[in-house]
Amino acid sequence: ELKVEQNPLFLSMQEGKNYTIYCNYSTTSDRLYWYRQDPGKSLESLFVLLSNGAVKQEGRLMASLDTKARLSTLHITAAVHDLSATYFCAVLQGAQKLVFGQGTRLTINP
Amino acid sequence: NAGVMQNPRHLVRRRGQEARLRCSPMKGHSHVYWYRQLPEEGLKFMVYLQKENIIDESGMPKERFSAEFPKEGPSILRIQQVVRGDSAAYFCASSPPVRSYEQYFGPGTRLTVT
Repeated sequence: ELKVEQNPLFLSMQEGKNYTIYCNYSTTSDRLYWYRQDPGKSLESLFVLLSNGAVKQEGRLMASLDTKARLSTLHITAAVHDLSATYFCAVLQGAQKLVFGQGTRLTINP
Repeated sequence: NAGVMQNPRHLVRRRGQEARLRCSPMKGHSHVYWYRQLPEEGLKFMVYLQKENIIDESGMPKERFSAEFPKEGPSILRIQQVVRGDSAAYFCASSPPVRSYEQYFGPGTRLTVT
C-alpha cells in the first residue's frame, strides 16, 4: 500500500525566511503533485512533477523530485504572509488514484 | 470554461437521514473522482467513475455509501443513514479522457451531521 508522509506537519516562520517541506512516499510512482489549500477552500494545483530530477518554480515556491529517494521537496524562499496555507503533496497510484500526505500547515508571521 | 461544480456547498443532516452530493465535471471531462477530507487531515480517495461505470471503489466504505455517474447529469455520491463520523468535506475531481492524471478539483461539499 502506498503511503505518503509529509514533514513537518506544522510550520511557523517569519516573513523573509526560507524553509523546506518534505514529502516521502513508499512505492514507485510516475507523478507527484503539490497543492495549496486555504481554510474552508478547495485545492489549488501548484506543481506536477513527472520525472526524476524535475524542478519547477513559481514565484517564491520551488518543487523538486528525486524518484530514487522517493522524496519531493517544496522550498519557500523569502516567505510572505500570503503564503500562509496548508500544503499537500499527493502521489499518483496506478493510473488515476491520488494518495495524499497529511498536509503541512504553514503560518507566516510578520 | 466553467470548472468542476459541486452542490450543495454546505449540507446539514440529522443522524439517520440521507445525504446526496452532486458533482458536474468540467466540460469534456469523462472521469470523476470523489475524495473525503476529515477535519485536520489530508484527502482520502473514495471512488473513481467513468460514465455509467464504477472503475475503482476501493476507498468507499462497504455500507451506506454509493456513487454513480449516469450517462446524463451529474455524478452523485449518496450516503444513507448518516452518522456523526460522516461529517467531512467531500471533494469531487474530474479529468479528461486523455491525460487522465490531470485532476481538477471542485469547491467541495461540507457535510455536517447533527
